[in-house]
Amino acid sequence: SQKIEQNSEALNIQEGKTATLTCNYTNYSPAYLQWYRQDPGRGPVFLLLIRENEKEKRKERLKVTFDTTLKQSLFHITASQPADSATYLCAPRLNAGNMLTFGGGTRLMVKP
Amino acid sequence: NAGVTQTPKFQVLKTGQSMTLQCAQDMNHNSMYWYRQDPGMGLRLIYYSASEGTTDKGEVPDGYNVSRLKKQNFLLGLESAAPSQTSVYFCASSYGSGVGYEQYFGPGTRLTVT
Repeated sequence: SQKIEQNSEALNIQEGKTATLTCNYTNYSPAYLQWYRQDPGRGPVFLLLIRENEKEKRKERLKVTFDTTLKQSLFHITASQPADSATYLCAPRLNAGNMLTFGGGTRLMVKP
Repeated sequence: NAGVTQTPKFQVLKTGQSMTLQCAQDMNHNSMYWYRQDPGMGLRLIYYSASEGTTDKGEVPDGYNVSRLKKQNFLLGLESAAPSQTSVYFCASSYGSGVGYEQYFGPGTRLTVT
């Protein structure tokens, strides 16, 4: 069966450091993968989309990599700030479908 | 623009009761979605609508029904609520249903079934 794995334990880092979150998937060949941010009590907010032919995508302090051989996406936040504290969800999209499948998310805590 | 709005924000039902969750979007999006989010389970797709008047089942459709009579509205019905349907429900919309379209989410409805 298809499965997405994100670290269920919270990631605690110091302000100013780079946060790296991992998304692993099995039995997938996703053509696209999206990352969302979710704050407590709110709906997810779209951050980045990366296609299978793109190895890396950047947006301001955010960077996403997509390794289809390792079946893994890494999400980086450079110069992290306490305001970056949230849960981050990865969502591969199957090539033949239009449905997102969400991972359980990783909670990031950035301490001042 | 209000984006995606959901009503109600909170709801408590007794087992066997029925209700409809309402979702509206003002972005002229073609596609709309209903998800549920449970602790440790992530977001799971219940139903989606690629365009006005069409609906399709997602991963967990049992016990739910949907209606997309107007482009801006997507309704989720619970015919006979069960405690297993206690969850947070999110509605989302996107411009297209093809790959490459980001989804915009509403604030969620927290439903408790006793």
